[in-house]
Amino acid sequence: SAVISQKPSRDICQRGTSLTIQCQVDSQVTMMFWYRQQPGQSLTLIATANQGSEATYESGFVIDKFPISRPNLTFSTLTVSNMSPEDSSIYLCSVGGARDTQYFGPGTRLTVL
Amino acid sequence: GESVGLHLPTLSVQEGDNSIINCAYSNSASDYFIWYKQESGKGPQFIIDIRSNMDKRQGQRVTVLLNKTVKHLSLQIAATQPGDSAVYFCAENQENAGNMLTFGGGTRLMVKP
Repeated sequence: SAVISQKPSRDICQRGTSLTIQCQVDSQVTMMFWYRQQPGQSLTLIATANQGSEATYESGFVIDKFPISRPNLTFSTLTVSNMSPEDSSIYLCSVGGARDTQYFGPGTRLTVL
Repeated sequence: GESVGLHLPTLSVQEGDNSIINCAYSNSASDYFIWYKQESGKGPQFIIDIRSNMDKRQGQRVTVLLNKTVKHLSLQIAATQPGDSAVYFCAENQENAGNMLTFGGGTRLMVKP
């Protein structure tokens, strides 16, 4: 399985600011995904990060709020823009296919004050 | 670390006993299922998966059972150990759903020594 790291591991941010989360994989992967896990809840897919093209967003998530970059096959970033307390969550990247095993990074724990 | 799933249903078992964690799904088109384990402060960890052409699959100390008739999935853990204490999520995918993994609500397993 791939080794996935995320930066930062946690952060406390002020309302109205933006935070960029990095996801690094130790091998080239085709599929990378970003999930949100709100407090006490399960995981919800935000978007699929596509290499060389725009990310594919799921219903309820938009590019202006969650811009994603995928410059190569081992790296992706997710930005949480213009944050509010409702954005306080764990943000997770994963790799693999939905028709195959998906492996998750350790997550970034975001608190917005 | 921060706790995940503060308001999740909880299963409490004695160390050494067998654990059964259940998951119901609603989409009859779902044909691929995964169980994940999430320890406090970590990302979800793959445990075992099963495709709809099977009704049982075994791993090391774990068994997944799939009942497509009633749309029910279960994870059985044999000889439960303190290290099994975590939140367990089931996830499902359908062939026409692209990359979306739909996660269930999760169950917290607590192992009493």
